[in-house]
Formats: sequence, structure tokens, C-alpha cells
Amino acid sequence: DAMVIQNPRYQVTQFGKPVTLSCSQTLNHNVMYWYQQKSSQAPKLLFHYYDKDFNNEADTPDNFQSRRPNTSFCFLDIRSPGLGDAAMYLCATSRAGLAAEQFFGPGTRLTVL
Amino acid sequence: DQQVKQNSPSLSVQEGRISILNCDYTNSMFDYFLWYKKYPAEGPTFLISISSIKDKNEDGRFTVFLNKSAKHLSLHIVPSQPGDSAVYFCAARVTGNQFYFGTGTSLTVIP
Repeated sequence: DAMVIQNPRYQVTQFGKPVTLSCSQTLNHNVMYWYQQKSSQAPKLLFHYYDKDFNNEADTPDNFQSRRPNTSFCFLDIRSPGLGDAAMYLCATSRAGLAAEQFFGPGTRLTVL
Repeated sequence: DQQVKQNSPSLSVQEGRISILNCDYTNSMFDYFLWYKKYPAEGPTFLISISSIKDKNEDGRFTVFLNKSAKHLSLHIVPSQPGDSAVYFCAARVTGNQFYFGTGTSLTVIP
């Protein structure tokens, strides 16, 4: 089945230790997104790629970076995680165009010790 | 600043009755609205959407209504089934690929 896969499902890191979350897709969608969702809050868009074009949200901290080496993969790098970065990180994909529906992965739960 | 708001954190409905989930927004530039359903330990799954040029879209038991003058949309589920118990997120898109989500409403359908 075509899908969005996120690895790992659970990630524990130490304060200040860089961490990378990964996302892959078999849908061949040209847009990929990263969201941060804290407990009882709305998913918040961090950035998205339209093909190779990177689009950063204005209020996304510099501590968060992303890479998209090819259509299938996208990575979220947190350079120096703080306690406030503990959250669920959701990856999503979509086809560009009028149809706006996104396909989400199951998320990676990040814990910062 | 929360541009999409779901003011009811939870809702309980009897099986077979109608579930109505509400969503308010502030940005008149939103061109597309979507509802997602989320089960525990899974990512959100797309349910239904509506373009800003329409006021109603129906798909089986699910209907979304859009009232642009009130900046309000609602999701109706008729009849509600126990399997509909989940968290429902309202989302809106600014032209392009910029999305804003609400905080979600947890729906419980009581058998």
C-alpha cells in the first residue's frame, strides 16, 4: 500500500544533542510537510518542500532544519533540542494543485531529557 | 495567533444520532477547508473537504457546511457510529501549501 512512513516512532534525545527524524513516502507526491504538535494543541506547520523548493514558516525557529534529498525522503533536523521541543512530529505529503488533502504518517514522538 | 479554532474539546453522541463538529476561522484568505480524523497512535486521515467557493459538500454520512460570512464551518455525521469515535481536526489552506489546523474535537459515539 502506498503510504507515508516515519522513523523512528519514538525518539529520546538529550538536551542539546542533535537529532534527526525521517520520513519517506511511496505516493510520489511532490509536496512534503513537517508539523509539530504539542499536547492538546493544533498541529503547527514548520516548513514544506514543493519538489526541491524549501518553504520555511516565518515563526519556525532556526533550530529546526530540513533536507529533502529526493522525492521519497524528507528529514527534520533539530540542531540543539530544548525541553520545549518535546512533541509529536508529523510528516505529510500532498499533490500540488487544487486538491489539498494531505496524507500523514503516524508521527514521531520526541522526548528531550 | 490561532487562525482556526475548534472551541469544543469533546463531544458525546448516541449511536444513530447526528454529530455536529464546529470550526471557526479568522483569515478570509483561506481557499480550502478540510476535516481530518485521527485515531490514537495514528496520523490524521483525510475525511472531507470544501472549497471556499462552495457552501456544502457531501460524502456518504459526512457533510461539511461552510458559512463564509460567519467564517464558520461544520461537519455533520449522520448517522453516527461507534467507529466514528476519534479526534476530528479542522484545517484550512491559504493559497499554496500553507495549512492551519484547529486543536481538535474528541468525538465519542456511545453504543
